[in-house]
Amino acid sequence: GAGVSQTPSNKVTEKGKYVELRCDPISGHTALYWYRQSLGQGPEFLIYFQGTGAADDSGLPNDRFFAVRPEGSVSTLKIQRTERGDSAVYLCASSLTRRSYNEQFFGPGTRLTVL
Amino acid sequence: DQQVKQNSPSLSVQEGRISILNCDYTNSMFDYFLWYKKYPAEGPTFLISISSIKDKNEDGRFTVFLNKSAKHLSLHIVPSQPGDSAVYFCAASANSGYALNFGKGTSLLVTP
Repeated sequence: GAGVSQTPSNKVTEKGKYVELRCDPISGHTALYWYRQSLGQGPEFLIYFQGTGAADDSGLPNDRFFAVRPEGSVSTLKIQRTERGDSAVYLCASSLTRRSYNEQFFGPGTRLTVL
Repeated sequence: DQQVKQNSPSLSVQEGRISILNCDYTNSMFDYFLWYKKYPAEGPTFLISISSIKDKNEDGRFTVFLNKSAKHLSLHIVPSQPGDSAVYFCAASANSGYALNFGKGTSLLVTP
């Protein structure tokens, strides 16, 4: 079956611009996660959705970052007034439920470059 | 602060030999540990996991060992194959929860 898909695969933008990154989770997975992987680092947790609601957004670095999942499936990560430090690979993952023993399936990521 | 540490950025092993990847953690609340494998331009792929109530979990060529008193886990790959060449991430979660804390990864190269 289809895995987690993310679009676009690459996004280049200028400092100060607004960007949206999209994630399509595996069908039937109720839990959805966003992570950010900076160069030379491991993925860093940003936000977790259970269904439509953001159950935990404690990893979002500041209020320029926002994510939605209006119908409990597709999610969009939104970044306002982008900064060069936002450049990273943004990974989306989904799992059947929120428990960690339900392995998280990752998408290929969106590589964001802020010039 | 990095709560999951992989102190070896890279490891090179000959095909057929054992690969041992190490991971240390600092948070005593972590109770579930996972290893992910990542190829370039792909997302991490789940490899194997272990609960804190166990000290060993085996799946084919992959075995994870957990030493809770030392806050250390290791991934053994036997025998190593060239297709195992990838970056391996150690991850942990607290209270069997959802937010995974990842290490920086170890790049494994298996040479023929």
